[in-house]
Amino acid sequence: AQTVTQSQPEMSVQEAETVTLSCTYDTSESDYYLFWYKQPPSRQMILVIRQEAYKQQNATENRFSVNFQKAAKSFSLKISDSQLGDAAMYFCAYSSNTGNQFYFGTGTSLTVIP
Amino acid sequence: DVKVTQSSRYLVKRTGEKVFLECVQDMDHENMFWYRQDPGLGLRLIYFSYDVKMKEKGDIPEGYSVSREKKERFSLILESASTNQTSMYLCASSPYRGQGNTIYFGEGSWLTVV
Repeated sequence: AQTVTQSQPEMSVQEAETVTLSCTYDTSESDYYLFWYKQPPSRQMILVIRQEAYKQQNATENRFSVNFQKAAKSFSLKISDSQLGDAAMYFCAYSSNTGNQFYFGTGTSLTVIP
Repeated sequence: DVKVTQSSRYLVKRTGEKVFLECVQDMDHENMFWYRQDPGLGLRLIYFSYDVKMKEKGDIPEGYSVSREKKERFSLILESASTNQTSMYLCASSPYRGQGNTIYFGEGSWLTVV
């Protein structure tokens, strides 16, 4: 089974600064999708950003961008101009193009310091 | 917008009780999932269903069962609740396999077993 590893249980960032959350994964497949999900204290898990493995260009959504290194099986999330509302648990996830399942990391808790 | 609704946000049950957690999605998604979320362990898949009356075990199915009689509804059943089942339970849905379909989550159900 695929595994997703988030090695940073907790991170903190000063408001308006930039922070990078790390994620690595293990797979033998060539066609797959990667996601970052955000879970604020209210607990609704929402999609932040999505990357298709066959696309070399890194996905970007406003202040959120990824650094996708397919050969290294690395998928990090960069949050620029951090805001108080970015404080949350962030989960990295993997989904195969041929399967129904999603595989999640253990999460990184991000604190934003005013 | 996709909406995944979990019927109960907070429940307190006694050891040995039968517990039902209900989930409804409104986007005609084929796949539905039940995850358990515990600190430091991330999301662990209990069961998922890719069609009505179809189910597959996830990583931690012991002590749980599921029911999917209608496409939009997926129920998680704790046959005899135990204190080690105190946790946050997340329901999710996604369109059919492939194309990196995004998974959508409900708000979660906090279950305490006393």
